[in-house]
Amino acid sequence: DTAVSQTPKYLVTQMGNDKSIKCEQNLGHDTMYWYKQDSKKFLKIMFSYNNKELIINETVPNRFSPKSPDKAHLNLHINSLELGDSAVYFCASSQVAGGRTDTQYFGPGTRLTVL
Amino acid sequence: AQSVTQLDSHVSVSEGTPVLLRCNYSSSYSPSLFWYVQHPNKGLQLLLKYTSAATLVKGINGFEAEFKKSETSFHLTKPSAHMSDAAEYFCVVSDPTSGTYKYIFGTGTRLKVLA
Repeated sequence: DTAVSQTPKYLVTQMGNDKSIKCEQNLGHDTMYWYKQDSKKFLKIMFSYNNKELIINETVPNRFSPKSPDKAHLNLHINSLELGDSAVYFCASSQVAGGRTDTQYFGPGTRLTVL
Repeated sequence: AQSVTQLDSHVSVSEGTPVLLRCNYSSSYSPSLFWYVQHPNKGLQLLLKYTSAATLVKGINGFEAEFKKSETSFHLTKPSAHMSDAAEYFCVVSDPTSGTYKYIFGTGTRLKVLA
């Protein structure tokens, strides 16, 4: 069973379009994350949800809107796509407990290409 | 603020020789530190983690890392490189201030293994 899954794996679209990426985890974790990996492989946090509540919102354009319908799902919707949005987007989950961080488990990534 | 510095962007070793990937961290707290590996076009896989237990941490595939507080380092080593170790390696520190322990990634080290 896949622990953290993302769909789609690849997404090719035109500038100006709106698209969504879905993430699901079956680990029973209470916290989920979105990271962006740019063309130089640099990874940066975008958002984090804890028990469906937005906890982290880094300096991300408001064209990006995360939505968490339940603890097991965290979707990322992107409006008015731009060339600079081309990247690999990773979803992750963890169980935040006891005042110490726990391991984050990553999905396989979604490669977004904006033409 | 938490940060990590990976001192080498590229490392090349011959198959069968030792691997050393260097990481220095900065943290206002007792840090949790991780090493992840990313094979080409794949997701991120946890190699090992340090969370204030033993300072020498053993991970998967023969990798280990030593936490040295005096040197603020968490270098990754392996006694003998295998061709399958060729990948991108990320050193990560968790930031507890947000309440969800977001990951702060290093810039990555690309390991090349020569036959």
